[in-house]
Formats: sequence, C-alpha cells, structure tokens
Amino acid sequence: DVKVTQSSRYLVKRTGEKVFLECVQDMDHENMFWYRQDPGLGLRLIYFSYDVKMKEKGDIPEGYSVSREKKERFSLILESASTNQTSMYLCASSSEGLLGGYTFGSGTRLTVV
Amino acid sequence: QKEVEQDPGPLSVPEGAIVSLNCTYSNSAFQYFMWYRQYSRKGPELLMYTYSSGNKEDGRFTAQVDKSSKYISLFIRDSQPSDSATYLCAPTPGGGKLTFGTGTRLTIIP
Repeated sequence: DVKVTQSSRYLVKRTGEKVFLECVQDMDHENMFWYRQDPGLGLRLIYFSYDVKMKEKGDIPEGYSVSREKKERFSLILESASTNQTSMYLCASSSEGLLGGYTFGSGTRLTVV
Repeated sequence: QKEVEQDPGPLSVPEGAIVSLNCTYSNSAFQYFMWYRQYSRKGPELLMYTYSSGNKEDGRFTAQVDKSSKYISLFIRDSQPSDSATYLCAPTPGGGKLTFGTGTRLTIIP
C-alpha cells in the first residue's frame, strides 16, 4: 500500500522553539507539498517542491522553510514557532503529471503554547 | 474573490438521501476537476477525477462539471453513514498544483 508518512500525529511545542515536521513518501513521486489546514480557511499551501533541492513558495510561506535533500523526504521547518502556527499540517505528494492526484499523509496536529 | 468557492456547511441528511455538493470557480484555465474526501483526523483522499465538462459516475458517486458556468458538483446516491466526512473540490489547469475549496462537512444521519 502506497504511503505518505508524517513523523508525528501530535506535537506540542513552546513559543520560539525551532520545529521540524518530517514527511516521507514511498511512491517515487517528483512533487511534494506542505499545507496547513484551519477551520473555515481550508487547505493553504505553504511550500512545494518539484525536485530534489528545489523549493517554491506557496501562498503562506512566512515563518516557514523547507528542505528536500532526498526525493522521498520533504521537511517543513518552523524557524521560531508562534501560537498562530498552531494548526493541522498536511504533507502530500504527486507524480510529475499529477496522475492520480495528490496522496496525503495523515497530518500532524501542532500546538504551540 | 477566491479562485474556488465551496459552501462549508455543515450539511446533515438522512441515510438513503441523495446528496449534492457544489463548488464554483473563477479560473477559466481549470481543466481537471478532483473531489477529495477527508474523514475526521485523517488526510484527504482522492475520491473522483474528471477532465473538462460532463459527468463521470463511480458507483454511488457522480461528478459533474459545467465549464460554461464554472460549476462543479458531486452527487452521492443512497447515502450511508460511512459517507460522513468533509468533501473538498480541487480544480486544476493541469501540472503540479491543485487549488482546494474550503470543504463541505457532511453528516449522514442513520
């Protein structure tokens, strides 16, 4: 069964901490994405990557960075966590031609206190 | 104006009813239209995928696209409690990036 695996289901971090969210896919997909999902706001794209070491800003990149050193792994970094970054974070991957759409991970519920 | 508009609901219907979920969009470049289903505390999963205008049926689910009015619909026949979820439309012009609606939360009442 193909999968996108996010390292943590629930995280609680303190304001100002550096936070790493990890995502691994086993489908040899070229594209990987990080979204956050908030009630009433839906899915908002933070960053995406079309290839190893490539990254592009999405709609809300402020306060975040990403790293893609290997094809299967895409990391989201919160440089200095703030309470307004409390959210559900979803990682997704897709093939180059978007065949089959996105495959999402189960999400990480991050709470910043 | 958002590129994709979707009524957030919540929508509650009795078991066995026909459900209609809808989105409107503004970008004429959208050519592919996807519907995702998201159960509580899970990531979204692809439900249906259509290209251009017309209907596509998959079991109890029918996706309908009217590009002239920029209107996307998902119909669920003989709705079941297991259909209770949030449904997100996601049109795209093709290529790597999807644009998601905010999602409609659906509850099927036994």
